[in-house]
Amino acid sequence: GAGVSQSPSNKVTEKGKDVELRCDPISGHTALYWYRQSLGQGLEFLIYFQGNSAPDKSGLPSDRFSAERTGGSVSTLTIQRTQQEDSAVYLCASSSRQGTEAFFGQGTRLTVV
Amino acid sequence: AQSVTQLGSHVSVSEGALVLLRCNYSSSVPPYLFWYVQYPNQGLQLLLKYTSAATLVKGINGFEAEFKKSETSFHLTKPSAHMSDAAEYFCAVRTDSNYQLIWGAGTKLIIKP
Repeated sequence: GAGVSQSPSNKVTEKGKDVELRCDPISGHTALYWYRQSLGQGLEFLIYFQGNSAPDKSGLPSDRFSAERTGGSVSTLTIQRTQQEDSAVYLCASSSRQGTEAFFGQGTRLTVV
Repeated sequence: AQSVTQLGSHVSVSEGALVLLRCNYSSSVPPYLFWYVQYPNQGLQLLLKYTSAATLVKGINGFEAEFKKSETSFHLTKPSAHMSDAAEYFCAVRTDSNYQLIWGAGTKLIIKP
C-alpha cells in the first residue's frame, strides 16, 4: 500500500475482553515495529519483526500481549484480558531492507473501560 | 549497545527565537540518525535523517541537524520558531547491522507568543 495502515483507528473495550490490533505495512517492507504511547509519554517499544520472525520481543509488557506476522506482511497485536492500564495509542511502523527510515501508521487508540 | 538521550523533556521558546533540541547517541558503529515530529493527535512524521553523507542535514519546515561524531550529537535546530512548530520531537538511531530503532524519550517543544 501507499502507507502503513492500522485498524481500527479507535477501539473501546471492556476490561477483561481480548482485542486485536492490525497493521498493514508498506508493501515490500521487511521490518515491522509495534510501539505503545500512553498519554503524554514517549514511545514504548513492544516488539520488532524481521520478516515473520521476531528477533526482539523484549518490550511486551506481560504475557497478555502477543504479536504475529504472517507472509512477511500483515501483523496482529493481541492483548488478552485487557486492563485499564493498557489504554494507550498503539503505533505500528515499517522499514525496508534497503531504506533506512521507519514509516508510521496513524495508530490505534485503545480505551479500556 | 546503542542508546539515545534527549536533553530536556520540555523546551519553551518564543515565537521567532532559535529552536535547539538536543540529541546525543551512543553507537559503536556508524549510525543512521533520525528526527521525527509528532503533532497533537497525529502519528510520527520524519523530519530529517543522517545516513553518512553530508553532516549537515536539512529537513522539512526549515529544520536542520548537524551530525558531530566527536560529540556523538545530532542536535536539531531552526533559526526562527513558528507557532506551528509546537509538537513533540523524537530522535532515533539505527545501525546497518540491526534494523532495530532506538528512540529518545522525546522533547515537547512549546512556542510562546
